[in-house]
Amino acid sequence: SQTIHQWPATLVQPVGSPLSLECTVEGTSNPNLYWYRQAAGRGLQLLFYSVGIGQISSEVPQNLSASRPQDRQFILSSKKLLLSDSGFYLCAWNRSPYGTGRDTEAFFGQGTRLTVV
Amino acid sequence: GENVEQHPSTLSVQEGDSAVIKCTYSDSASNYFPWYKQELGKRPQLIIDIRSNVGEKKDQRIAVTLNKTAKHFSLHITETQPEDSAVYFCAATLQGGYGNKLVFGAGTILRVKS
Repeated sequence: SQTIHQWPATLVQPVGSPLSLECTVEGTSNPNLYWYRQAAGRGLQLLFYSVGIGQISSEVPQNLSASRPQDRQFILSSKKLLLSDSGFYLCAWNRSPYGTGRDTEAFFGQGTRLTVV
Repeated sequence: GENVEQHPSTLSVQEGDSAVIKCTYSDSASNYFPWYKQELGKRPQLIIDIRSNVGEKKDQRIAVTLNKTAKHFSLHITETQPEDSAVYFCAATLQGGYGNKLVFGAGTILRVKS
């Protein structure tokens, strides 16, 4: 069965410090990977998505970057955090089997609550 | 631009009444429309989904309808119960530069009053 791991669960970081959030998926290959941010009481904003190694799309201008060093690993980073980077960050995965046009259900990690102070 | 619009942002209903949440999407090539429920402090979880070749799908008290021509889809919850209180998100797969991406609506806070 497939599982998704995201860590850490909570993080308090000072303004100007770096950030690294990690997400890994087990039990599947070539997943689509996503990073979303959820501000308090708000919706799920798509930050990055990746359909394969070296194929990462940035969806909104921001202070963050994403990398996919391995097929099932997705990392969200920042060199210098801003107060506005605070929020609930969710990693997710799904599949888009080639040629079928049938995207599958997306599964979310437990989320990371980031507070920038 | 590419997006998914969701309404209303908040919805209060009396226990036993029905709740309807509506979404519209912009990409006519979208073919997958899931609905997620997020309880406080937890991750979103799929409750029902529909594909573009189907107009309606039902699972017990939950149903989803899709109008491809109008590019909108709706979630219907009947006989609401207090445990239905949560945030509900619609989503759609939109075409991106690297293939399909899953984009969510802004969410609806549903409160079921007993």
